[in-house]
Amino acid sequence: AQSVTQLDSQVPVFEEAPVELRCNYSSSVSVYLFWYVQYPNQGLQLLLKYLSGSTLVKGINGFEAEFNKSQTSFHLRKPSVHISDTAEYFCAVSDAGGYNKLIFGAGTRLAVHP
Amino acid sequence: DAGITQSPRHKVTETGTPVTLRCHQTENHRYMYWYRQDPGHGLRLIHYSYGVKDTDKGEVSDGYSVSRSKTEDFLLTLESATSSQTSVYFCAISDRGSAKNIQYFGAGTRLSVL
Repeated sequence: AQSVTQLDSQVPVFEEAPVELRCNYSSSVSVYLFWYVQYPNQGLQLLLKYLSGSTLVKGINGFEAEFNKSQTSFHLRKPSVHISDTAEYFCAVSDAGGYNKLIFGAGTRLAVHP
Repeated sequence: DAGITQSPRHKVTETGTPVTLRCHQTENHRYMYWYRQDPGHGLRLIHYSYGVKDTDKGEVSDGYSVSRSKTEDFLLTLESATSSQTSVYFCAISDRGSAKNIQYFGAGTRLSVL
């Protein structure tokens, strides 16, 4: 069975500071990895994905993530955050050979302060 | 929201009543999913469909049923609503090929069971 652990439930940070949101997963099969963002009272929007190839993945809004197979991690980073990045962020994993079903982490609430 | 419409957007109902939530897509994607979102749990898969009349259970399927009689519509039914089913429900769609296993989410339905 697959599982996803987001190591921080809340991350407060000041505007223009760097941020890292941590995600670890467990799986016995090959996986695809995703980060989604949810703004208040909205659905989920895809930030970035890792399917294969380069382990450093760039997404929208200046975010990037690095797939580390040996550490089973997929941490999300941004070098300088803005107030508008305040949202909840979800890490998710799917079985590379299945029906694209996603297993989500519990989420990390990023709060950017002026 | 990638051609996905969820209805209703908000619903308040009483314990023991049946409730049906609808997801309609205009993308002609093969796979459709229902998730529920609860604080501290992220999103959890209720049921999914891999084609017309082809459905299967997810990790939290007890108390829910689904139907898919057309490619574009995926219905989620709570046969007899309970307070534990108070949640935000999200529909998602995905496809293979150029869509690269990405799931796109609707705006959600907020359900309160009193």
